[in-house]
Amino acid sequence: GAGVSQTPSNKVTEKGKYVELRCDPISGHTALYWYRQSLGQGPEFLIYFQGTGAADDSGLPNDRFFAVRPEGSVSTLKIQRTERGDSAVYLCASSAYLGTANEQYFGPGTRLTVT
Amino acid sequence: GDSVTQMEGPVTLSEEAFLTINCTYTATGYPSLFWYVQYPGEGLQLLLKATKADDKGSNKGFEATYRKETTSFHLEKGSVQVSDSAVYFCALSEAYGGATNKLIFGTGTLLAVQP
Repeated sequence: GAGVSQTPSNKVTEKGKYVELRCDPISGHTALYWYRQSLGQGPEFLIYFQGTGAADDSGLPNDRFFAVRPEGSVSTLKIQRTERGDSAVYLCASSAYLGTANEQYFGPGTRLTVT
Repeated sequence: GDSVTQMEGPVTLSEEAFLTINCTYTATGYPSLFWYVQYPGEGLQLLLKATKADDKGSNKGFEATYRKETTSFHLEKGSVQVSDSAVYFCALSEAYGGATNKLIFGTGTLLAVQP
């Protein structure tokens, strides 16, 4: 079956611009996560959705970052007034149910470059 | 807060050599522990996991044992192959009240296996 997909795969934008990154989770997965991976680092948690609601947004770095999941499936990560420091690979993951041992399935990521 | 520390790379081995990648963690409560692998040009994939103390996770010849007394989850393989060349990430999933199951990752260890 289809895995987690993310679009676009690459995004180059100018400093100060607005960007949207899309994630399509595995069908039926209720939990959805966004992570950010900077060069040479492990992924860092940004936000978690259970269904339509953001259950934990403690990882969002500031109020320029926002994410939605209006119908409990596709999610969009939105970044306003982008800065060069936002350049990273943004990863989306989904899982079938809650539980600390539950496997998260990762998408290929969107590489964001802010010039 | 919870954290994961893993050995820095790169780790360069000859084919059929023994592999150990060290991972230690700091956590409140009783987390689940994971090893994820990222092959060149691919997304993160779960390699193995362990959910409680003394559990051993295993997959594709790799093993790791959850050691609560030393707060460690070292990855081992008896005989590596060129196809094992990848970046390996140790991670934990928090397991206390209201947990969102977000993953906390180490910085990753690059393994390069030479023929």
